[in-house]
Amino acid sequence: DADVTQTPRNRITKTGKRIMLECSQTKGHDRMYWYRQDPGLGLRLIYYSFDVKDINKGEISDGYSVSRQAQAKFSLSLESAIPNQTALYFCATEKAGYNEQFFGPGTRLTVL
Amino acid sequence: AQTVTQSQPEMSVQEAETVTLSCTYDTSESDYYLFWYKQPPSRQMILVIRQEAYKQQNATENRFSVNFQKAAKSFSLKISDSQLGDAAMYFCAYRFYNTDKLIFGTGTRLQVFP
Repeated sequence: DADVTQTPRNRITKTGKRIMLECSQTKGHDRMYWYRQDPGLGLRLIYYSFDVKDINKGEISDGYSVSRQAQAKFSLSLESAIPNQTALYFCATEKAGYNEQFFGPGTRLTVL
Repeated sequence: AQTVTQSQPEMSVQEAETVTLSCTYDTSESDYYLFWYKQPPSRQMILVIRQEAYKQQNATENRFSVNFQKAAKSFSLKISDSQLGDAAMYFCAYRFYNTDKLIFGTGTRLQVFP
């Protein structure tokens, strides 16, 4: 079984809809991250969390919110999706002090 | 602000040959980490190799090695004995010591021909 899972793997939605992307991990890591990948831009950090009570904005947090429901779960929400949020979204986890992030398989989101 | 530049959008190599992917970065810090990630068509991001800036010795992982030039702020990836399974996007990434932000380059697409 995969250590970091993301659901759904693919999603098509319409402008204005609320959508939630979910991430779960069995690695026991305390830190979790959400990234966005756009063609030609690499990965950019949206939000990150050190533990359940600690949430931090990344470089492109506008239009997104997150929830850390448990140490193993970190969800990303788009309250009102817009077409320029069409991208590949990655969740990652890390054990504090180890400086190595482990990525989930990604969610491809298309906003029409 | 720290930046990571990968100037080669695409590279190609013949099977069993060697290829080098380039990466330069800009930082005023002295303690940091550098990474190469591989993204095959499956989309999974896989860590290939990691280098701590304080280490002078270049990191090596099997067929993968780096040429780390701290003064030149250069961090290239060499793939020896290339295999068809090496075909992927490769991303260079930088992380300032003890922070949480990975800064990625824009990637290099590597094609491997039989």
